[in-house]
Amino acid sequence: AQSVTQLGSHVSVSEGALVLLRCNYSSSVPPYLFWYVQYPNQGLQLLLKYTSAATLVKGINGFEAEFKKSETSFHLTKPSAHMSDAAEYFCAVSGPTGANNLFFGTGTRLTVIP
Amino acid sequence: DAGVIQSPRHEVTEMGQEVTLRCKPISGHDYLFWYRQTMMRGLELLIYFNNNVPIDDSGMPEDRFSAKMPNASFSTLKIQPSEPRDSAVYFCASRFGSSYNSPLHFGNGTRLTVT
Repeated sequence: AQSVTQLGSHVSVSEGALVLLRCNYSSSVPPYLFWYVQYPNQGLQLLLKYTSAATLVKGINGFEAEFKKSETSFHLTKPSAHMSDAAEYFCAVSGPTGANNLFFGTGTRLTVIP
Repeated sequence: DAGVIQSPRHEVTEMGQEVTLRCKPISGHDYLFWYRQTMMRGLELLIYFNNNVPIDDSGMPEDRFSAKMPNASFSTLKIQPSEPRDSAVYFCASRFGSSYNSPLHFGNGTRLTVT
């Protein structure tokens, strides 16, 4: 069965500090993994995706994530937080039937402290 | 490109009433998805269409929920009768093709409150 676990429903960082949002996955097939961001009162936007190419994936707004099969992890990082990064972040894994069935985590709300 | 358009943005209704949520996907996209977001369960896929045909509705909670896509530019999600536990944010999303390299584009959602 496919699932993702996001550790920490709320994360607070100071402006300029490292952002680390954790995601662990469970998959019965080689996974495709995604990070989405949701700003207040908006829909989700794709930040980055892992589709079995390079294990270190770079996305928009300076975010990146590393796929680690041995740890079944796909953590999201950004070296220096900006106020504009405050949002909710969702990790997702594809289902066994393909890209049309994504299983989302419950989300991590990132707060950036000035 | 106007993006995925959902209406209404907010809906407040009383238990037992019929609710209809609407979605206009991005022109040219051939896949359309309905998701529900709640605090308890997160984001759940309810149903998706390909070329206006429902492909997987296994996420639809029960018979009170129904979805249609009469043409490539319009879809509805109907709840009849509505119940308080249906309160959630409902998202519509669309994409072109089924490749993993084709991202989902989400609308801004409809916040439904059933009292």
